[in-house]
Amino acid sequence: SQQGEEDPQALSIQEGENATMNCSYKTSINNLQWYRQNSGRGLVHLILIRSNEREKHSGRLRVTLDTSKKSSSLLITASRAADTASYFCATSTGNQFYFGTGTSLTVIP
Amino acid sequence: DTEVTQTPKHLVMGMTNKKSLKCEQHMGHRAMYWYKQKAKKPPELMFVYSYEKLSINESVPSRFSPECPNSSLLNLHLHALQPEDSALYLCASSQGLARENEQFFGPGTRLTVL
Repeated sequence: SQQGEEDPQALSIQEGENATMNCSYKTSINNLQWYRQNSGRGLVHLILIRSNEREKHSGRLRVTLDTSKKSSSLLITASRAADTASYFCATSTGNQFYFGTGTSLTVIP
Repeated sequence: DTEVTQTPKHLVMGMTNKKSLKCEQHMGHRAMYWYKQKAKKPPELMFVYSYEKLSINESVPSRFSPECPNSSLLNLHLHALQPEDSALYLCASSQGLARENEQFFGPGTRLTVL
């Protein structure tokens, strides 16, 4: 399966701290995307990084991609209680599209 | 309008019932998707429609039948479901295929099969 594995499965931090979550995948990809899901709701796209990019920023989000290690990380800086959610990486290869196992982030006010 | 709507929000059905889930978007997107998500698991792709044609069917049982009446609408017809089919069903759309484009998700239909 192309499904990504995310690490850690769960993360609990204090408001204001940074949160880092990692995604590892198995085969070559076209790009890698990160999505957020609030409990029992639809997913929201956060950022897309292409296979020829190494780092990308969007507001408080920083994503890195290391294709040699087949891994990506998502850093959320200065976390807020509203960042509490599950975060999924998603990879695409050809016409296939797979979500990773997800990281559940809790930000404590 | 950057919204994907899904109806109903919740659905309870028996194993002999026939029901339909509906999804609608007015962003002019030409690709639409159905996903199934079990609790504490990632979404699993079920079907992809591209330009109103079924382009991907991820080996989904025939008791799930997708339909794309036009470029804005996507239905999922349900018949003779099993209790293990209980899950959150998510619809999404994108301008092009998901591998290159952001997907916009609806809020989902919470399905319970008794």
